[in-house]
Amino acid sequence: DIQMTQSPSTLSASVGDRVTITCRASQTISTSLAWYQQKPGKVPSLLIYRASTLQSGVPSRFSGRGSGTEFTLTISSLQPEDFATYYCQYYNNGGAFGQGTTVDFK
Amino acid sequence: DVQLVQSGAEVKKPGESLRISCKGSGYKFTNYWVAWVRQKPGKGLEWVGVIYPDDSDRRYSPSFQGRVTISADKSNAYLQWNSLRASDSAIYYCARTLSSSWSWFFPFWGQGTLVSVSP
Repeated sequence: DIQMTQSPSTLSASVGDRVTITCRASQTISTSLAWYQQKPGKVPSLLIYRASTLQSGVPSRFSGRGSGTEFTLTISSLQPEDFATYYCQYYNNGGAFGQGTTVDFK
Repeated sequence: DVQLVQSGAEVKKPGESLRISCKGSGYKFTNYWVAWVRQKPGKGLEWVGVIYPDDSDRRYSPSFQGRVTISADKSNAYLQWNSLRASDSAIYYCARTLSSSWSWFFPFWGQGTLVSVSP
């Protein structure tokens, strides 16, 4: 079974900060990696797939990089609406999620 | 527009059976994978399993294999338990893939169904 591990679990930041979240896979997964955002009480929302492809309608301040076992999600300039929990997900013939990273106010 | 509409909240006792549903509209339902994702209160997302409605090909996470059954017909996907436990209490989301390929990531989500299991 492929396991996904995110770091950090919590990240405290301010509006305007550049924020990076890391996701590691327990074995190589090429670029079969998606990122989601979830706000409290809301349904998850797809941000990025294929490690770096921005989903339609997602602001360009979000970007994804990586392949193999190490991936990153970067928010170039944190906006008030970006305070949320972020999940990575491996998805090729499988579906494991990372445990989540909560971005909160510093 | 693609829509996934899930059945309403359920309150059950341990040992009872349950089936919740997810109705797709705005697209050809049988041609896209539909998955179920669990979220316990205050916790993260867990992938339960996925089904391709056209031929009912399905896959389960090892953590859920044998505990739940995923099924589908021409316009609905279902998640079923034969004997509920308190630990099954959670919100269950259905979600649809972007394409019919084996890339099981999800741009489309249902609103979630809250399942509460208590004596």
